[in-house]
Amino acid sequence: DAGVIQSPRHEVTEMGQEVTLRCKPISGHNSLFWYRQTMMRGLELLIYFNNNVPIDDSGMPEDRFSAKMPNASFSTLKIQPSEPRDSAVYFCASSSWDRSSYEQYFGPGTRLTVT
Amino acid sequence: DQQVKQNSPSLSVQEGRISILNCDYTNSMFDYFLWYKKYPAEGPTFLISISSIKDKNEDGRFTVFLNKSAKHLSLHIVPSQPGDSAVYFCAASGINTGTASKLTFGTGTRLQVTL
Repeated sequence: DAGVIQSPRHEVTEMGQEVTLRCKPISGHNSLFWYRQTMMRGLELLIYFNNNVPIDDSGMPEDRFSAKMPNASFSTLKIQPSEPRDSAVYFCASSSWDRSSYEQYFGPGTRLTVT
Repeated sequence: DQQVKQNSPSLSVQEGRISILNCDYTNSMFDYFLWYKKYPAEGPTFLISISSIKDKNEDGRFTVFLNKSAKHLSLHIVPSQPGDSAVYFCAASGINTGTASKLTFGTGTRLQVTL
């Protein structure tokens, strides 16, 4: 079975440019989470969706960040304009609460470098 | 405000010995706890979990202990193996309301198992 798929795996961009990160959750999962990992703050939840609807975006750092989930098999996280302090590893995770489980399955991450 | 804390950023253990990783939490609404393991350049993978109605859960070499009164949990790995060398994240979640619940992660402990 395919796990959570993220693209690109690495992204290097200049300050001010728009960055779009992509995620394909595990088929059949109905919840999707975006996380950011930094040395200082560890793994932070940015936003999560249930059945394609954003439930909690309180972790989104500022208006430069936006996330969409147009259908059950695709989500994007966009940063516009990007800044050097956005450099981090961004993870997407999915889960199926029908199983009464809190377990989330993570993708391999996108390492973003903003110069 | 760090609601889940892993105060030891790193731990070194000899192969065959016991590894004990610790985690403290502050939010008394957390009722489910998980441990994730992360190798470099990969996403975190689920290891073991425990509900607040239990004080111990065992899976092979891995055992998680929960002390609710102290708001403390620990992960024991016995015996430790070189392949266990990774970063371990503790995570916590609140009451399952019937939809996916967000996880709050600690900052991680890097375990090094030496020969």
